[in-house]
Amino acid sequence: DVKVTQSSRYLVKRTGEKVFLECVQDMDHENMFWYRQDPGLGLRLIYFSYDVKMKEKGDIPEGYSVSREKKERFSLILESASTNQTSMYLCASSSGANNSPLHFGNGTRLTVT
Amino acid sequence: AQKITQTQPGMFVQEKEAVTLDCTYDTSDQSYGLFWYKQPSSGEMIFLIYQGSYDEQNATEGRYSLNFQKARKSANLVISASQLGDSAMYFCAMRKIQTGANNLFFGTGTRLTVIP
Repeated sequence: DVKVTQSSRYLVKRTGEKVFLECVQDMDHENMFWYRQDPGLGLRLIYFSYDVKMKEKGDIPEGYSVSREKKERFSLILESASTNQTSMYLCASSSGANNSPLHFGNGTRLTVT
Repeated sequence: AQKITQTQPGMFVQEKEAVTLDCTYDTSDQSYGLFWYKQPSSGEMIFLIYQGSYDEQNATEGRYSLNFQKARKSANLVISASQLGDSAMYFCAMRKIQTGANNLFFGTGTRLTVIP
C-alpha cells in the first residue's frame, strides 16, 4: 500500500513566520503534489513536481514555494505566512500512468494567527 | 483550463437506497481521465473509481459505479445500497492526459449524509 506521510496534523503559526510543510512517500513515485482545501472551493493545486529538483506552478502558487531535493520528499514553504493561508494542506503522489490515482496524505491543518 | 462542476453541495439518502452524485466537466481534450474520491470526517482522501475517456464500458468497483456520458460531459457516481459509513464528502476530479505530471482538477464536492 502506498503511504504518504505529512509531518504535522495540526500547526499553528504567527503571521510573518516562515513555515515548512513536509511530505514523504514510500512508493518511488515520480509525481508529487501540494493542494490546499477550503470549504466550498474543493481542492486547488498549489505546486507539483514530476522529478527531483523539477517543479511546476499550479493554480494558486502565490505566497508559496516548494523544494524537491530527493524523490521521496516534497516540501511546501510559506515564505511569510499570512492569515489567508489558514487552510488544510494535502500532499499527494502518483506514478506516471494515466489511470493512476493520486495517493494522499492525511493533511496538515494550518492556522495562521 | 479544465473545469469540474458538482452542483449538489449536500445530498441525503436513506440507508440501503441508491444515490447518484452529479459531476459535469468541461474540456476540449479528447484524452482524459475521471476520478471520484471520498473524504470522511477523518479527512483522508480515499480513491473510489476511475473512468478513461476512451473506455466504452462504465467503470464499476463494488457498490460504486460511474455513469459516464461522454457527449453530455458528465461522470456521475452511483452508490448502491447506501451504508451509514458512506456519509462523507465526495469529490469528482479530472486529469488531462499529457506528458509530464498528471495532476487532477477537482470539483467543489458533495456532502452525502446517509439517514438510518
